[in-house]
Amino acid sequence: GQSLEQPSEVTAVEGAIVQINCTYQTSGFYGLSWYQQHDGGAPTFLSYNALDGLEETGRFSSFLSRSDSYGYLLLQELQMKDSASYFCAVREGEYGNKLVFGAGTILRVKS
Amino acid sequence: DVKVTQSSRYLVKRTGEKVFLECVQDMDHENMFWYRQDPGLGLRLIYFSYDVKMKEKGDIPEGYSVSREKKERFSLILESASTNQTSMYLCASTLFWAENTGELFFGEGSRLTVL
Repeated sequence: GQSLEQPSEVTAVEGAIVQINCTYQTSGFYGLSWYQQHDGGAPTFLSYNALDGLEETGRFSSFLSRSDSYGYLLLQELQMKDSASYFCAVREGEYGNKLVFGAGTILRVKS
Repeated sequence: DVKVTQSSRYLVKRTGEKVFLECVQDMDHENMFWYRQDPGLGLRLIYFSYDVKMKEKGDIPEGYSVSREKKERFSLILESASTNQTSMYLCASTLFWAENTGELFFGEGSRLTVL
């Protein structure tokens, strides 16, 4: 089976930097994705790491270490609109056609 | 823009009823997924399909079945609804994985209440 662990809640202030960690145990790992979901909305894709290292997209960055089975999402210059749930998800399985999500991290941004 | 459309946003059914949740995508995606989302549990994979008539069980397939007769449509079936199937159901689709950036496109969800 597989398991993903991420913190259940994180609180930070506007303008700050926050890091949301994700550790995973899977079979046949292909890559790690991050999704954002606002209350009442559908999850939306943020990033995908198939190889070790840092991927940057604007204020958001995502990191992967395959040897440590670990990744993180880094959010910089936090804004109130970043308050949402964030999910890590692993692409796995025999053919890499399965995407399994973690339980999610609620990020609360305070002014 | 990719559009994934779920047929019903809100449904209320009675225990024992057969329930159909329909999902249609308009981007010719090979892969389609059904998840359920419950507070504190995240998104749990029920079934997925990587081609027409092909399906694979996810992590929680018990009590569910699926149908993919056409590439654009993926249906989730609850043969005999039970109260513990009250949940938000999310459909998603994505390209063939060899060409993929790992992005799933989600529908708006179907909130099912079983009384």
